Amino acid sequence: EIVLTQSPGTLSLSPGERATLSCRASQTVSSSDLAWYQQKPGQAPRLLIYGASSRATGIPDRFSGSGSGTDFTLTISRLEPEDFAVYYCQQYGSSPWTFGQGTKVEIK
Amino acid sequence: EVQLVESGGGLVKPGGSLRLSCAASGFIFSTYSMSWVRQAPGKGLEWVSSISRSSTYIYYADSVKGRFTISRDSAKNSLYLQMSTLRAEDTAVYYCARSLVAPDYTRTYWYFDLWGRGTLVTVSS
Repeated sequence: EIVLTQSPGTLSLSPGERATLSCRASQTVSSSDLAWYQQKPGQAPRLLIYGASSRATGIPDRFSGSGSGTDFTLTISRLEPEDFAVYYCQQYGSSPWTFGQGTKVEIK
Repeated sequence: EVQLVESGGGLVKPGGSLRLSCAASGFIFSTYSMSWVRQAPGKGLEWVSSISRSSTYIYYADSVKGRFTISRDSAKNSLYLQMSTLRAEDTAVYYCARSLVAPDYTRTYWYFDLWGRGTLVTVSS
């Protein structure tokens, strides 16, 4: 099983700042089969990024994903008020599909 | 409208059974693979089970293998999760989620591009 470790656990930033979230895998994620999701309280997760760097439909271009192998990054270039949420990475290259434990982006 | 709507959650005693349903609408259900993902209260996301578009491939997390059964009925545009021998640690919101199949049907991309709002399962005496 591929274990995904996200860091930091919590990121305290102000609107307009840049957010950099990390996701590290215990083994190589094949074919860059890595996705990122955003979840707000009381809501279902929303797909942001798939294939490590492809934005899902309707996702603003301030969200970008990068990385390969075992190290992946989600960057939010300028935080908007609606971006404060919990973010999860997920690998889907090999079963069982696994999620990271999440990074909470909170208002400083 | 493209959506997934879960139902069937509720309170059940340890050792009991429950069947969750997920109704799909607004897209061609038979062309997508489907999954269940759960989230315990205040915790992160945990993948539970997946089924390919033709039901040929079925996968389970070790934590539910032998106790849960996933199935689908394309005539009814529905996904199901039969849960038995339920434990307190199965308490969670259960989400139904959709995954894309490659145009040549060679593989499923097992990320989740559409989610339902979830149904709460509480296992408690």
